[in-house]
Amino acid sequence: NAGVTQTPKFQVLKTGQSMTLQCAQDMNHEYMSWYRQDPGMGLRLIHYSVGAGITDQGEVPNGYNVSRSTTEDFPLRLLSAAPSQTSVYFCASSYGLGNNEQFFGPGTRLTVL
Amino acid sequence: AQSVTQLGSHVSVSEGALVLLRCNYSSSVPPYLFWYVQYPNQGLQLLLKYTTGATLVKGINGFEAEFKKSETSFHLTKPSAHMSDAAEYFCAVSDLTGAQKLVFGQGTRLTINP
Repeated sequence: NAGVTQTPKFQVLKTGQSMTLQCAQDMNHEYMSWYRQDPGMGLRLIHYSVGAGITDQGEVPNGYNVSRSTTEDFPLRLLSAAPSQTSVYFCASSYGLGNNEQFFGPGTRLTVL
Repeated sequence: AQSVTQLGSHVSVSEGALVLLRCNYSSSVPPYLFWYVQYPNQGLQLLLKYTTGATLVKGINGFEAEFKKSETSFHLTKPSAHMSDAAEYFCAVSDLTGAQKLVFGQGTRLTINP
């Protein structure tokens, strides 16, 4: 199993550009989520999904869109990039609910100029 | 709303010394509690978790943590530090709604001195 994969690993955007961060998992996990990591702030939840076709907002959803058309994939879209979105983005997945371990991808480092 | 506070953004210990990383949480009900480790330029890896039952939880790499409800704490310890323990450590809580939305602490960077 590849686990949770993310592409690209690095990305530089200009303000106002749009892009999609890709996330895929091959563990048949129901639950997937996106976090952003900023220095001194830990990880903060952006959006999450409890199954194909079901998504919801996390703590910091503004400026981001998600969709979940398949169990395996959970892309994160930046509609109009802003410097405040410079961060490291992590995708995670887990099987089931609540007390289960979340498996994290290697991250995407995004810089918005 | 839930919150997590990790006391000390940087902790430095000597190799072979005790490691103690502090975590306090705020929650209206006992949550699920986790410790994750992040090595440089990598994703997060689960060290251990508390859900129900025994309050002393053992994890990988010799780490353990004790859930103390009266103190709303979940401190991480390891009796003898190893150079390979140098990493960033995150405490996290998950509520009982079933959606497993993790709330993370700010992180503690652990440095091991030879």
